[in-house]
Amino acid sequence: ETGVTQTPRHLVMGMTNKKSLKCEQHLGHNAMYWYKQSAKKPLELMFVYSLEERVENNSVPSRFSPECPNSSHLFLHLHTLQPEDSALYLCASSQVGSPSGYTFGSGTRLTVV
Amino acid sequence: GESVGLHLPTLSVQEGDNSIINCAYSNSASDYFIWYKQESGKGPQFIIDIRSNMDKRQGQRVTVLLNKTVKHLSLQIAATQPGDSAVYFCAENPNQGGKLIFGQGTELSVKP
Repeated sequence: ETGVTQTPRHLVMGMTNKKSLKCEQHLGHNAMYWYKQSAKKPLELMFVYSLEERVENNSVPSRFSPECPNSSHLFLHLHTLQPEDSALYLCASSQVGSPSGYTFGSGTRLTVV
Repeated sequence: GESVGLHLPTLSVQEGDNSIINCAYSNSASDYFIWYKQESGKGPQFIIDIRSNMDKRQGQRVTVLLNKTVKHLSLQIAATQPGDSAVYFCAENPNQGGKLIFGQGTELSVKP
């Protein structure tokens, strides 16, 4: 474990379902991120939370809704997804102001049917 | 614009050989660089980092080289093993504590 825990590891959902992805970090970091990773494609930054405030939203469709209730937890709420949303969703955390990298979770493999 | 890219999308090496994975970056203000390894079905894991005031840093079987003159970063893996098979990403930090910019990744395959 890296200190960033994501649940569930795998999720299959229909296009009319509502589900949530959860991320928890145990590193005392103050920034958290959601990335989407599709097959053979680079990491796509979706959302950035710094000090529990959303500081970046990279033109993500409204069917993805992030929530950061505190500095240790991050959620991604999903509803009415499309099959092209199937991907690996990665959460990461970092310490803003410290020149260090991100710590990633293991990801949630999402399949939309 | 800012970009971090890799010269080759795939690399195949024989077990026991050394591997070299390259990365080019465009932001001369970047002061911190990282290499990540991502195995199939897992999240990226930190391998090694280097700050801009250094040109070489060594870890266990891995070495990162930084050439600021040509904005080039490389990862060398000595005596490559099957367990090294993964996608390797470079990332740069354009300003201290800022958002990382990731490269596209190189898929390393190790032939037994």
